[in-house]
Amino acid sequence: NAGVMQNPRHLVRRRGQEARLRCSPMKGHSHVYWYRQLPEEGLKFMVYLQKENIIDESGMPKERFSAEFPKEGPSILRIQQVVRGDSAAYFCASSPGGTTDTQYFGPGTRLTVL
Amino acid sequence: AQSVTQLGSHVSVSEGALVLLRCNYSSSVPPYLFWYVQYPNQGLQLLLKYTSAATLVKGINGFEAEFKKSETSFHLTKPSAHMSDAAEYFCAVTRSNTGNQFYFGTGTSLTVIP
Repeated sequence: NAGVMQNPRHLVRRRGQEARLRCSPMKGHSHVYWYRQLPEEGLKFMVYLQKENIIDESGMPKERFSAEFPKEGPSILRIQQVVRGDSAAYFCASSPGGTTDTQYFGPGTRLTVL
Repeated sequence: AQSVTQLGSHVSVSEGALVLLRCNYSSSVPPYLFWYVQYPNQGLQLLLKYTSAATLVKGINGFEAEFKKSETSFHLTKPSAHMSDAAEYFCAVTRSNTGNQFYFGTGTSLTVIP
């Protein structure tokens, strides 16, 4: 059973460009979470999605950030018009159910904004 | 509200010595608690979790943690450190009624001295 897959592992963008981060959950998992990790900090929750629904986006910045988890295909975290402060590691996690199920993490995408 | 405090951002121990990583939580309802380990440039791997079944929880790689409600603590221990234990360790909490997002501590970097 493959784990949570994220791609790309490393992404470099110039200021003003768009960044698209992809996450494929573990087989059988229908719940996806995105977290951001800034240098020397812990992970901060961004958004929680189920198939075709955003359940909790309380951690998402109000502008430029969006997320989706379509019926088919991976979950996408999209950052428009990136700025240097967006440079961070973005982790996706999945779980078989919501509530308190263990979340399994992918290897992360490290975004660098030049 | 939920939060987690990890005391000591950096801990150094000698190989073979006891490992003690501290985690205190605050939660208005019974918490579910987790310890994750992160190796350089990798995602988070679950070490163990507390879900109220037993206060002493055994995890992988010889780690264990004890839930102490009176102290609101969930410290991680290992009797004898190994060089391969050098990594970043994160404590996380979620709650039993709505779950979803995990609240992470800022992490403790463990160094093992040969």
